[in-house]
Amino acid sequence: AQKVTQAQTEISVVEKEDVTLDCVYETRDTTYYLFWYKQPPSGELVFLIRRNSFDEQNEISGRYSWNFQKSTSSFNFTITASQVVDSAVYFCALSGKRGTGANSKLTFGKGITLSVRP
Amino acid sequence: KAGVTQTPRYLIKTRGQQVTLSCSPISGHRSVSWYQQTPGQGLQFLFEYFSETQRNKGNFPGRFSGRQFSNSRSEMNVSTLELGDSALYLCASSLAITGRQETQYFGPGTRLLVL
Repeated sequence: AQKVTQAQTEISVVEKEDVTLDCVYETRDTTYYLFWYKQPPSGELVFLIRRNSFDEQNEISGRYSWNFQKSTSSFNFTITASQVVDSAVYFCALSGKRGTGANSKLTFGKGITLSVRP
Repeated sequence: KAGVTQTPRYLIKTRGQQVTLSCSPISGHRSVSWYQQTPGQGLQFLFEYFSETQRNKGNFPGRFSGRQFSNSRSEMNVSTLELGDSALYLCASSLAITGRQETQYFGPGTRLLVL
């Protein structure tokens, strides 16, 4: 069975601070995929980043960066110079090897509520 | 390119009724998945449709069903509604390329309240 743990439940920072959201996952699949989604108050899940298990290169995209460590089963997400508009719930998700479906289902963590204060 | 659309956005029903939710995927996306989000259980996978066939199913009772049309649009039906079915129902669409795990893009959701 797959599992995603987001130990942090709520984080509050002041604008311009850097913030790191933690994600730990469990899977027996040798090939798997990790995602971060953002859910603003409107409810829509917005795709942010994706990482394949066979590619451990960490990247930076604008104010976002991520740290994928297969040895510790972690996929942490960092927002640099946070802004008020970053306030949302952030979900880490995992999918494994495809079965008969077109895609493997996403297993989500419980989410982290990020509040950025002006 | 237009995103995933879901209708209706809000719905109020009473126990015992049934409800149908609709999802139109991103143009060119052939796979549609449905998820239920509640404060207690979080985000849970309901089912996935591809080529008008249910390909994958989560751990939900048979009261939850769905279908997909030839244009990839999907509907989800819940019969004999219970209070616990109150939730945000999210639809996600993705390309369906053999051998690849595609990113799923979500719609704004339908908020269902069962009284």
